[in-house]
Amino acid sequence: GENVEQHPSTLSVQEGDSAVIKCTYSDSASNYFPWYKQELGKRPQLIIDIRSNVGEKKDQRIAVTLNKTAKHFSLHITETQPEDSAVYFCAASIRGTSYGKLTFGQGTILTVHP
Amino acid sequence: DTAVSQTPKYLVTQMGNDKSIKCEQNLGHDTMYWYKQDSKKFLKIMFSYNNKELIINETVPNRFSPKSPDKAHLNLHINSLELGDSAVYFCASSQDEVPEQYFGPGTRLTVT
Repeated sequence: GENVEQHPSTLSVQEGDSAVIKCTYSDSASNYFPWYKQELGKRPQLIIDIRSNVGEKKDQRIAVTLNKTAKHFSLHITETQPEDSAVYFCAASIRGTSYGKLTFGQGTILTVHP
Repeated sequence: DTAVSQTPKYLVTQMGNDKSIKCEQNLGHDTMYWYKQDSKKFLKIMFSYNNKELIINETVPNRFSPKSPDKAHLNLHINSLELGDSAVYFCASSQDEVPEQYFGPGTRLTVT
């Protein structure tokens, strides 16, 4: 089955700096890659996703890149703010089969210092 | 309006008891899921139902039994609770052919 590895496990940055979180996946058939943000005690919330026919997607301060050949994808957060502090999860799935079974990475605890 | 809701939010019980967690979604989605988040924050899928039919059943002990009375509801019943069942359980839903999944607020289960 699919295996998703996520790095780093913790990331500490100063406000205004950029943050990058990287994930690799094992199943070349995976074609949907969402990123979730989970604040303390809250539910995971979808913040951005990318599908395998696209190499990059951007939404304001966050962007995701996908390298299908290398089977890795990354989350980029620019101009970080303290409210960006949370746990971030990457995931992978195969659209159209198994009705969207998501395999998650281990999570990255991002801390943005004011 | 709450899109995906779960009850209860907190559940504290003793080993050996049987408990249920309920989930409801008002998004009109066809597929619902149960995920378990352990103490290390790792999220892992347990079950998935599509239009009341079990689609995904990961290697979960038989003590866990999901039930979907209709496509807007997915409940999780746990028999003979064990200490290792302590975790946060999240319900989620998605629409057929649309991969985005939306999570409920979670139920923190503590087994003592």
